[in-house]
Amino acid sequence: AQSVTQLDSHVSVSEGTPVLLRCNYSSSYSPSLFWYVQHPNKGLQLLLKYTSAATLVKGINGFEAEFKKSETSFHLTKPSAHMSDAAEYFCVVRPSGGYNKLIFGAGTRLAVHP
Amino acid sequence: DAMVIQNPRYQVTQFGKPVTLSCSQTLNHNVMYWYQQKSSQAPKLLFHYYDKDFNNEADTPDNFQSRRPNTSFCFLDIRSPGLGDAAMYLCATSRDLLLAGVHEQFFGPGTRLTVL
Repeated sequence: AQSVTQLDSHVSVSEGTPVLLRCNYSSSYSPSLFWYVQHPNKGLQLLLKYTSAATLVKGINGFEAEFKKSETSFHLTKPSAHMSDAAEYFCVVRPSGGYNKLIFGAGTRLAVHP
Repeated sequence: DAMVIQNPRYQVTQFGKPVTLSCSQTLNHNVMYWYQQKSSQAPKLLFHYYDKDFNNEADTPDNFQSRRPNTSFCFLDIRSPGLGDAAMYLCATSRDLLLAGVHEQFFGPGTRLTVL
């Protein structure tokens, strides 16, 4: 069975400091991997996606993620947090195959303090 | 801009009173999805349409139905809302699954349903 584990339910950082949101996945085959962000009372916005073209993926708003097959990880990072980054972040796996069903992690709530 | 639109953004209904949520898209995507998201939880897939083909998740209650009259529109009908159905309902779309590439889902802003 395929699954996604987000290792931290809450992360709190100070503005201007680095952000690390951790994600591990379990998949029998080469999956597609995504990070989505959700601000309060809003829909989900795609931050970045792993397409197997490159292991280091750059996304919007300065975020990036590195795919590490040996560690089955896809951690999300940003060098310097901004107040507007405060939101819920979901690591998502799309198993290989024709059905586009996404498997969501439980989410990590990022708080950014002045 | 191409997008996914949900109306209304906030919906209040009474216990047992049928309610319909609306989703439209200008992306011309083949696939449309409905998710339920309860507070502090990840979205949960209810069903999806691949063109006109309806695909229900095994654990979606019969109380939830959907219609897709054309490519652009999709509706979520809750026949007899209970207090436990209060949630954010998210609509999403994606491209034809048979096309090569990684097909992310594009989400609408959601409809927050309150059941009194």
